[in-house]
This record gives sequence, structure tokens and C-alpha cells, in this order.
Amino acid sequence: QKEVEQNSGPLSVPEGAIASLNCTYSDRGSQSFFWYRQYSGKSPELIMSIYSNGDKEDGRFTAQLNKASQYVSLLIRDSQPSDSATYLCAAQSGGSYIPTFGRGTSLIVHP
Amino acid sequence: ETGVTQSPTHLIKTRGQQVTLRCSSQSGHNTVSWYQQALGQGPQFIFQYYREEENGRGNFPPRFSGLQFPNYSSELNVNALELDDSALYLCASSLSGEYGEKLFFGSGTQLSVL
Repeated sequence: QKEVEQNSGPLSVPEGAIASLNCTYSDRGSQSFFWYRQYSGKSPELIMSIYSNGDKEDGRFTAQLNKASQYVSLLIRDSQPSDSATYLCAAQSGGSYIPTFGRGTSLIVHP
Repeated sequence: ETGVTQSPTHLIKTRGQQVTLRCSSQSGHNTVSWYQQALGQGPQFIFQYYREEENGRGNFPPRFSGLQFPNYSSELNVNALELDDSALYLCASSLSGEYGEKLFFGSGTQLSVL
């Protein structure tokens, strides 16, 4: 069974700090990886996708992928209170159109 | 470009009843996926429809069924509701691309089964 594991948190960081969110996956055939942000009571919103080993940067967000270690991370620089949300990691196998989601990590950015 | 819309936003049913949830996909998208999200959990895949055909199914019983229409909108039907069916039901539309499926979610339907 394909699994995506995340620490449920909450992860609490002060405003302006770097928040580091981590995710591991069990299926070595996974090729596409996604980070979704979900505010309380709202639906998930895609913020990052990554497909190759290494780093991918988009504004204050950096996604990191290490396929050998089956590990994906999301860094949020200069964290803001508005970043407080649950961050869902998802992995998708090659040839599959269906991503598997982790349970999410709750992030709290306090002023 | 219109986003993904779901109706209704909230629903209260009693055990044993049947429910139909509706979803309109984002303009240009031909694939609709349905997810169930219990409180504090990640979205669990129910099934996916691509061009009116079921394209994959998660570990849900047959009382969960669906349809996709020629305009790519979709319905999720749940028969014989159980208390554990209480959850947020999310519809996501997508357009298959080379590097995987980026999902665009609707605002969800919060179903409460009493």
C-alpha cells in the first residue's frame, strides 16, 4: 500500500523564521510530488510541485526532493502569520493519475 | 476561467439515508476526482472519472458511486449513510499532463450524518 507520512505537528515558528516541513513516501515508483496548503475550514490549494531531485524555489517557498531517501520537504522562508495552515504532501506514481496524500502538518506562525 | 464549484456546501443527513453531491469542474478540465477528508486527516481518494468513465477507485465500498456527465461535471452518490461517512467531501478537477496530476479543489461539501 502506498503511504505518505507526515508529522501532524503542530509546528510552531516565530514570524520571520524558516519553517521546515517534511514528508516521506513508501512507493519507490513515485515520480511527482506536490505540496498543498489548507487553511482551516477551506479546501487544499496547490503551492508547489517537484519532479526531479534537488531544490525548486518559488518566492518564499522551496521544495526539496531526495528520491534515494524517499524524502520531500518544504521550506518557507520569512514565515508570516498568514502561512498558518495545514500543509499536505502528496506523491504520485509514474503512470498513475492519482496522488496519495499524507495527513498533513499543522503550521502555526506566531507574531 | 471558472473554478471548481461544489454543492451543497453543508448537508445534514440521518443514518441510512442517501445523498448526492455535485461538482462542476474547472473550465477546460476533463478529469474529476473525489476525496473524503475526515477531521485531522488527509484527503482519501474515493474515485476518479475521465471522459465519463471511472478511471480508478480507492478503498471505498460500492455504496459510494459516481457519474461524470458530457460537460465533465460530476456527482458523488452515497447510499445507506453511516455515521463514519461524516466528513468533508472534496471534488478536484485536473487536466492530465506529462508530469503528473495537479489538482484544483472545490470548496467542499461538509456532510454530517446523525
